[in-house]
Amino acid sequence: AQTVTQSQPEMSVQEAETVTLSCTYDTSESDYYLFWYKQPPSRQMILVIRQEAYKQQNATENRFSVNFQKAAKSFSLKISDSQLGDAAMYFCAYRGSEKLVFGKGTKLTVNP
Amino acid sequence: DAGVIQSPRHEVTEMGQEVTLRCKPISGHNSLFWYRQTMMRGLELLIYFNNNVPIDDSGMPEDRFSAKMPNASFSTLKIQPSEPRDSAVYFCASSLSRYTNYGYTFGSGTRLTVV
Repeated sequence: AQTVTQSQPEMSVQEAETVTLSCTYDTSESDYYLFWYKQPPSRQMILVIRQEAYKQQNATENRFSVNFQKAAKSFSLKISDSQLGDAAMYFCAYRGSEKLVFGKGTKLTVNP
Repeated sequence: DAGVIQSPRHEVTEMGQEVTLRCKPISGHNSLFWYRQTMMRGLELLIYFNNNVPIDDSGMPEDRFSAKMPNASFSTLKIQPSEPRDSAVYFCASSLSRYTNYGYTFGSGTRLTVV
């Protein structure tokens, strides 16, 4: 079974600084998709960014970008110019041939 | 598009009572998923449907849990009888298909408290 590991239960960053959240996964599949979801205190799950495993180019969405290392099975999220509104739980997720599997999450605090 | 709609947003019930959670997926989405979120176990997939048919219910914790999808626009998750350990946030999500590369769209969740 596929597993997703987020080794940082909590992270903090100063406003306007950059922070990187780590994620590793385990799979034997060659074709899959990876996602980062944000869950603010409102508890809504919001898709932040996604990456297709067959694409070598790292995905970017405004201030959010990923570092996808397929051989290492690593999928980190970089948030640039952090804003107070970025404070939330961040979940890494994997989807191969079946269901979407989530990591345990990283709580990000943004300090003013 | 109103998104995935879940009701109620909060539910407090006594142990032993029946609880029914409801979900309306996005129109046109063929797959529907029920997840449970707890501090200890994170987000767990309970069951998912494709074209209203249950595909995988291996995540349903016990026979006390059941889910139905009578039509493309409505699904329920029922717990009978409820127990305190069922307290969690229950999410419904939908997608165009279970193979979509666009992830799933989640509802706002139902926070269930069983006392």
